[in-house]
Amino acid sequence: EPEVTQTPSHQVTQMGQEVILRCVPISNHLYFYWYRQILGQKVEFLVSFYNNEISEKSEIFDDQFSVERPDGSNFTLKIRSTKLEDSAMYFCASTGTSDYEQYFGPGTRLTVT
Amino acid sequence: AQSVTQLGSHVSVSEGALVLLRCNYSSSVPPYLFWYVQYPNQGLQLLLKYTSAATLVKGINGFEAEFKKSETSFHLTKPSAHMSDAAEYFCAVSSGGYQKVTFGTGTKLQVIP
Repeated sequence: EPEVTQTPSHQVTQMGQEVILRCVPISNHLYFYWYRQILGQKVEFLVSFYNNEISEKSEIFDDQFSVERPDGSNFTLKIRSTKLEDSAMYFCASTGTSDYEQYFGPGTRLTVT
Repeated sequence: AQSVTQLGSHVSVSEGALVLLRCNYSSSVPPYLFWYVQYPNQGLQLLLKYTSAATLVKGINGFEAEFKKSETSFHLTKPSAHMSDAAEYFCAVSSGGYQKVTFGTGTKLQVIP
């Protein structure tokens, strides 16, 4: 069964460093999303992406964040200068055109020290 | 605007007992509703979804949920709990199509042998 994959599974970085989280959505999907879950809290929407542009973003998604689909398969989330409060699990999701279900990847745990 | 309220951050049931996890939603448009399960250190798995078809929705692992518009509820049930059901369960709402999903705060289910 097709699935969303994410790399790395765990990323440790120092405050102020740039990180890129990578996702490979399901191959025929056209809508892509990033969510995050701070430890012990609920899953929060960050951004949605369609047709090579952002469809919607939350207030969390400030200028430190950016997304990109650099090729036909990858979807990336970049944090330019990480802060301690960026430590969280980041989930990528994608949706096709038939069932509106968002398929979630296994997540990348980002730890900022 | 949309939101989800999950009553009870922790629920304990005995093995073999009925599982009932409560979810109430708020949405300015007819909602799409979801239940996701998250096992420790894992991603989000869709249990079931309501997308304006039948109000009683059956999902995986014996779970089901009933959409009640008059009560703005979408409670999750399972007739007989198994030890393997111990996990965190998230109710979520979307306005449909490819819109973002808004999650509740989650309910941790403990199953007592």
